[in-house]
Amino acid sequence: GAVVSQHPSWVICKSGTSVKIECRSLDFQATTMFWYRQFPKQSLMLMATSNEGSKATYEQGVEKDKFLINHASLTLSTLTVTSAHPEDSSFYICSASRQGVTPQHFGDGTRLSIL
Amino acid sequence: AQTVTQSQPEMSVQEAETVTLSCTYDTSESDYYLFWYKQPPSRQMILVIRQEAYKQQNATENRFSVNFQKAAKSFSLKISDSQLGDAAMYFCAYAGSGNTPLVFGKGTRLSVIA
Repeated sequence: GAVVSQHPSWVICKSGTSVKIECRSLDFQATTMFWYRQFPKQSLMLMATSNEGSKATYEQGVEKDKFLINHASLTLSTLTVTSAHPEDSSFYICSASRQGVTPQHFGDGTRLSIL
Repeated sequence: AQTVTQSQPEMSVQEAETVTLSCTYDTSESDYYLFWYKQPPSRQMILVIRQEAYKQQNATENRFSVNFQKAAKSFSLKISDSQLGDAAMYFCAYAGSGNTPLVFGKGTRLSVIA
């Protein structure tokens, strides 16, 4: 089956640090990837839609200058949390699907802890 | 905008018994997909079952089955012969046609009692 790899799985860093999270589709080309955020005991909320070769589309309330998304190839999207603060601590998870094909396949997620 | 509602924050079931998790959704689209995802403590998102809206037949995957009522916009999940490993958060999700993001319900935490 389709595999999506997300790295790192867990990161702890100091406030003010920038953190990059990678999401790779290992055995298929993903023209679109999605980034979700999940706070403790809550559901997944869409942050942005990442399109290969073009700018990401951000959901209302998500700061595009803080959460930089790059989708430079058909197999890789990155999310960079710039100047992270404790309130950015959360579980970030990506998903990808082949063009027009469901379901989406999820990475294993990244636990981000900002001290 | 589409919404997904799970009205049961928590449910419990005895091992080997059957439990049904509820989900309703709202959409004006005619072509869409519905999913149930399982999220164990590891927080992986595991696809349990999917349903295409154009299919009248309810989807089934081993011990998991759905009751899809399109007119009522209802999509419940039935787990038969519940096992300890079924304990997890279960999310109902909606996706429109094409490459669109998932809209999730708030989830139902299922406990399985030995």
